[in-house]
Amino acid sequence: AQSVSQHNHHVILSEAASLELGCNYSYGGTVNLFWYVQYPGQHLQLLLKYFSGDPLVKGIKGFEAEFIKSKFSFNLRKPSVQWSDTAEYFCAVNNNDMRFGAGTRLTVKP
Amino acid sequence: SQTIHQWPATLVQPVGSPLSLECTVEGTSNPNLYWYRQAAGRGLQLLFYSVGIGQISSEVPQNLSASRPQDRQFILSSKKLLLSDSGFYLCAWSVGQVGNTIYFGEGSWLTVV
Repeated sequence: AQSVSQHNHHVILSEAASLELGCNYSYGGTVNLFWYVQYPGQHLQLLLKYFSGDPLVKGIKGFEAEFIKSKFSFNLRKPSVQWSDTAEYFCAVNNNDMRFGAGTRLTVKP
Repeated sequence: SQTIHQWPATLVQPVGSPLSLECTVEGTSNPNLYWYRQAAGRGLQLLFYSVGIGQISSEVPQNLSASRPQDRQFILSSKKLLLSDSGFYLCAWSVGQVGNTIYFGEGSWLTVV
C-alpha cells in the first residue's frame, strides 16, 4: 500500500541547532513531494515542494529539502533553527492524490 | 485571488446526531477538493477527494460521506456520529493535476460527546 512515513514524532532542539526531519514514501513512479507546516493556532501552509529538476529544493524561512529518488526520501533541513520554528511539520506525497505523513512536532527551546 | 471558506469552525455534537460541514472555494473553477481529518497524534488522513461535480473518491470506509453539489462546494456529512469521529476536519483545494499543490481551509473542530 502507498504510504508516507515520518520517523520522528517529536523533536526538541535548542535555538541555533541544526534540524533534519526524515520523510520516506513507498510510491512507485513519478511523485510530487511537499512539506507543510502548521504553526500553533494556525492552519496548514506550504513550506516547500518538489516537482522536478534540482532535487535540492529551497523553501521559505531558510528551510530546504532534498529528494533522493534511490532512497524514496525527501528530508527537511534547516541549518539553524529559531524559536519561531516551533510547529508541526507534515511531509506529503502526491501520486494520484495527496497523502500525508503522521507529522513531526518540533519544539525549539529559546 | 483564491480563497477557501469552511464552516462551522467548531461544533459539539452528541453521539448519533447528524453532521454537515461545508466548504466553498472562490476565485477558481473546477478545483480538486479534499476532506482531511487530523486526529491527535495521527497526522492527516485523507477522507474524500473530488475532481468534479458528483465525482467523489472515498479513501477510508466509515460512517462519513461527501458530496459535491456545485463546482466549488464540498460537503462532509454523517447520518449518525460516533465518538471516534471527533477530530479536526480540513477542507482543501488544488487546481490542475491532482498532484499539484493543495491549499487548506482553517478547519473545523468536531467534538462528539
